[in-house]
Amino acid sequence: DTGVSQDPRHKITKRGQNVTFRCDPISEHNRLYWYRQTLGQGPEFLTYFQNEAQLEKSRLLSDRFSAERPKGSFSTLEIQRTEQGDSAMYLCASSLVARGGAYEQYFGPGTRLTVT
Amino acid sequence: GDSVTQMEGPVTLSEEAFLTINCTYTATGYPSLFWYVQYPGEGLQLLLKATKADDKGSNKGFEATYRKETTSFHLEKGSVQVSDSAVYFCALSFTGFQKLVFGTGTRLLVSP
Repeated sequence: DTGVSQDPRHKITKRGQNVTFRCDPISEHNRLYWYRQTLGQGPEFLTYFQNEAQLEKSRLLSDRFSAERPKGSFSTLEIQRTEQGDSAMYLCASSLVARGGAYEQYFGPGTRLTVT
Repeated sequence: GDSVTQMEGPVTLSEEAFLTINCTYTATGYPSLFWYVQYPGEGLQLLLKATKADDKGSNKGFEATYRKETTSFHLEKGSVQVSDSAVYFCALSFTGFQKLVFGTGTRLLVSP
């Protein structure tokens, strides 16, 4: 078990470009979450998946944002037509939800996006 | 909506001092409460949790007690070390959905 991994760790892009981030959760985890963290703030929930189904999206997730988890394993988060306000750390977390209850979320190291 | 309020930092202490970081919450219902820690250059790690009123979570010398009457979950440690320097986040979630709602974080700086 190597934990949650995210790629890339850093991304610098020009305003108006599209970017895509990848998250690989812990292999047996069926839930995957995306959060966004801006400087000096706590992480804010964006969306989550149970297996391949996207079950909830925050109103923070504008129509320029899309997330997928096609086979219930890794997930991608795409931002189209990036804006400077999108600059933030994007965090992925995973957890196991089973009949006995839910378990803690394990976080990846994050992808830091800078939009110039 | 549900929210978490933490004391502002940074909190600056000398090694072996007593630590308290205040956390209060607003929620409809009875959430589970968490403290996460973020060491420099690393991802968020769960430090401790409590799932119902009067539960005490503890780990690595840190403790926090779920107080329903004061809607609080203050983090304490009797004797801090330089290695405890990090940002500490208080958070809540509800069983089932499990979305975490975080506070703004409190930076702790411990000097030798």
